[in-house]
Amino acid sequence: EIVLTQSPGTLSLSPGERATLSCRASQSVDSLLLAWYQQKPAQAPRLLIYSTSTRATGIPDRFSGSGSGTDFTLTISRLEPEDFAVYYCQHSGNSPTFGPGTKVDV
Amino acid sequence: QVQLVQSGAEVKKPGSSLKVSCKASGGSFSTYPFAWVRQSPGQGLEWVGGINPLLGSTTYNHRFQDRVSISVDEPTRTVFLELTSLRSDDTATYYCARMLVQGMAATGPWKFWGRGTRVIVSA
Repeated sequence: EIVLTQSPGTLSLSPGERATLSCRASQSVDSLLLAWYQQKPAQAPRLLIYSTSTRATGIPDRFSGSGSGTDFTLTISRLEPEDFAVYYCQHSGNSPTFGPGTKVDV
Repeated sequence: QVQLVQSGAEVKKPGSSLKVSCKASGGSFSTYPFAWVRQSPGQGLEWVGGINPLLGSTTYNHRFQDRVSISVDEPTRTVFLELTSLRSDDTATYYCARMLVQGMAATGPWKFWGRGTRVIVSA
């Protein structure tokens, strides 16, 4: 089972700023199996990025993903007010796992 | 558009069993695997298990291996999660989720999500 760690735990930024979120895997993973989700309070997670860098349908292009091996990054180029949320990375292995999340707040 | 409608909140006693449902509408039902993901209060996300409706095959998180069962009823397009021997740490919101793409296993990524079913386990 792949263990995912995310950093930082909390990212305090302002609208218009750039957010860089990190996800590190306990061992090298297939980049096709790494996804990112956004979750707002009292809502279900929302798929943002899959296969490391492919945006899901309807996701604005200010969201981008990159990485390989054990290190992956979600970048939000210019934060909009609706982007303040918790972000999770997820590995689609035989036993899927999620990272602990990064909270992006004001 | 795909929609997943889950059953309502539940309050259970320790040691009892839980059965939560997820009714899918829109899109194909049998060719997309479904998963259950839970979230304890204030905590992160945890995959519970999944099912391929076409094959009837299931996979479970080893943490729940002996207590969990996922099934489908194709005529009603409904996915079920059963969890037995409930404990207080099973208190969580349980989400039903459908895979982004057709495939063999419900291991993610998941594009469509239900709103969640809140479950409280308390004496």
